[in-house]
Amino acid sequence: QVQLQESGPGLVKPSDTLSLTCAVSGYSISSSNWWGWIRQSPGKGLEWIGYIYHSGSTQYNPSLKRRVTMSVDTSKNQFSLILSSVIAVDTAVYYCARSPLDYGSGRANWFDSWGQGTLVTVSS
Amino acid sequence: EIVLTQSPATLSLSPGERATLSCRASQSVDIQLAWYQQKPGQAPRLLIHDASNRATGIPARFSGSGSGTDFTLTISSLQPEDFATYYCQQYYSTLLYTFGQGTKLEIK
Repeated sequence: QVQLQESGPGLVKPSDTLSLTCAVSGYSISSSNWWGWIRQSPGKGLEWIGYIYHSGSTQYNPSLKRRVTMSVDTSKNQFSLILSSVIAVDTAVYYCARSPLDYGSGRANWFDSWGQGTLVTVSS
Repeated sequence: EIVLTQSPATLSLSPGERATLSCRASQSVDIQLAWYQQKPGQAPRLLIHDASNRATGIPARFSGSGSGTDFTLTISSLQPEDFATYYCQQYYSTLLYTFGQGTKLEIK
């Protein structure tokens, strides 16, 4: 059974860089799935940040694209998120999740497994 | 951007009653829509994908329907553990996946 676990600093200063890692266990990150990041601001809804395939292919939310970088480390079975130049509105619970591959189109679909989430606060 | 509008924002019902939640898309998403349940302090849990397919382990009282722009999540007989917030998500537009703003299902 797949398990995902986010890790990273809980507090980041404005203008600094947010770095999170998602460790995947019980399942190979090199399998036919996309791996995504989603965030949820306090008391708000869900916002898709982007996703990555084990080959390194990525797709990012256009509103965040300028500041987002995702990477994958197949040897450690984990993937990572970097969000640069953070501001207060980037304060949120960040989730990593798995998305099945659509074999016809090669793209991602729904998110069928999620990590528990990690709260990141942007504050000086 | 495909905007998903969920209604109502809050739904107050009693255990045993039937719940009907709506998700309307600003343009057609075919059947590429999923539903999630989220309880306080927890991650979202996949309930339905491809508009009407129940995810693994999801009870039969949860059902999804619709296509194009109008979708419905129905819970046939509410159990105490079903009171939560429900989100829809479209994956038709791969340039930007979007979620609805959620419907909070509360105990009356």
